[in-house]
Amino acid sequence: DTGVSQDPRHKITKRGQNVTFRCDPISEHNRLYWYRQTLGQGPEFLTYFQNEAQLEKSRLLSDRFSAERPKGSFSTLEIQRTEQGDSAMYLCASSPPRGRLAENTYEQYFGPGTRLTVT
Amino acid sequence: GENVEQHPSTLSVQEGDSAVIKCTYSDSASNYFPWYKQELGKRPQLIIDIRSNVGEKKDQRIAVTLNKTAKHFSLHITETQPEDSAVYFCAPTWTGANSKLTFGKGITLSVRP
Repeated sequence: DTGVSQDPRHKITKRGQNVTFRCDPISEHNRLYWYRQTLGQGPEFLTYFQNEAQLEKSRLLSDRFSAERPKGSFSTLEIQRTEQGDSAMYLCASSPPRGRLAENTYEQYFGPGTRLTVT
Repeated sequence: GENVEQHPSTLSVQEGDSAVIKCTYSDSASNYFPWYKQELGKRPQLIIDIRSNVGEKKDQRIAVTLNKTAKHFSLHITETQPEDSAVYFCAPTWTGANSKLTFGKGITLSVRP
């Protein structure tokens, strides 16, 4: 499967615990995004990487959240001291590098998500 | 930031009928207009997109129309089938920066067999 993969697919944790999720983007996609989706809502942007550089973080991303993409390939999202409000689906998406303007594709390819439940 | 609204919130149609879903946005800088489909328990997937220099785009049974002046774009599905039942999200975007998607709340389309 050459699509975006995420691990684990499901995570149940107790309030106060730390959790870490992994995303493997499509190879050669240099752009990587994290989104969060709660029931009945559209995905909300959390953070963006271009290669290994984290170029944007949403205000939604409190200081308990940290994301890395150390070698410009896979990425991790860590939540420290989880709260019940963190329960959601965490989606990763990747997008290819930009080329000449007319040839660019802006499509983001989503992974299956990690469903986090905080009890 | 971008304010995105989708209308209606739910839509039920008879198989074979057409469905039209509208998205309005606030940021006049948006220049890329995708529609994503999300089936229950699955990932969002792009079904069609349009850029600001184009007014309409068609791909088999689906089409997207854009009215930049009025700041809205619509998804048109003809000859609907039960497998079209899903949540549809619009995500107007400015591609000049990080191209993060700002999703609407989604519209649940149900196609009755």
